[in-house]
Amino acid sequence: DTGVSQNPRHKITKRGQNVTFRCDPISEHNRLYWYRQTLGQGPEFLTYFQNEAQLEKSRLLSDRFSAERPKGSFSTLEIQRTEQGDSAMYLCASSLGRGQNTEAFFGQGTRLTVV
Amino acid sequence: AQSVSQHNHHVILSEAASLELGCNYSYGGTVNLFWYVQYPGQHLQLLLKYFSGDPLVKGIKGFEAEFIKSKFSFNLRKPSVQWSDTAEYFCAVNGYQGGKLIFGQGTELSVKP
Repeated sequence: DTGVSQNPRHKITKRGQNVTFRCDPISEHNRLYWYRQTLGQGPEFLTYFQNEAQLEKSRLLSDRFSAERPKGSFSTLEIQRTEQGDSAMYLCASSLGRGQNTEAFFGQGTRLTVV
Repeated sequence: AQSVSQHNHHVILSEAASLELGCNYSYGGTVNLFWYVQYPGQHLQLLLKYFSGDPLVKGIKGFEAEFIKSKFSFNLRKPSVQWSDTAEYFCAVNGYQGGKLIFGQGTELSVKP
């Protein structure tokens, strides 16, 4: 499968613990996005990278959240000191660079449950 | 502010009925428009997209959408739905140079056999 891959698919954690998710984009895609989706809502933008540079970060993203894409390939999203409100589906997407090549391909997501 | 509004949260249709899902957006400048579909248990998949040109775009599985610039709308249509179209549908927008997508809240479509 050469699509966007996310791991783990499910994560249950206790409040206050740290969690890290991984996303492997489609190999030739230089843009990588993170979104969060809660029940009954559309995905909400969190942050995005072009190659290894983090170009935009949502105001929704508290300082407990950090994302990296160290070599411009895979990315990680870390949540420190998780709270129950962090429970959601975390989606990763990737796309080619600029102009009309902006179709984003999504992974299957990581479902986080904070208990 | 940039936003996307989908008119219906839940639509229930019988097979062979026609479908129209509304989508309006607020976004400054030239836009790209998308409809994504999420079948139960699956990831978001692109149904169709509008970048420029003919405002009537055709997508997969018999879906089409019409971009009406004056109304800031991008409504999704299908003349005859099937049970397999049961899914959640999301309208999304971004700027001409790409970047983050702004999604609507989604419309859940249930098609009764």
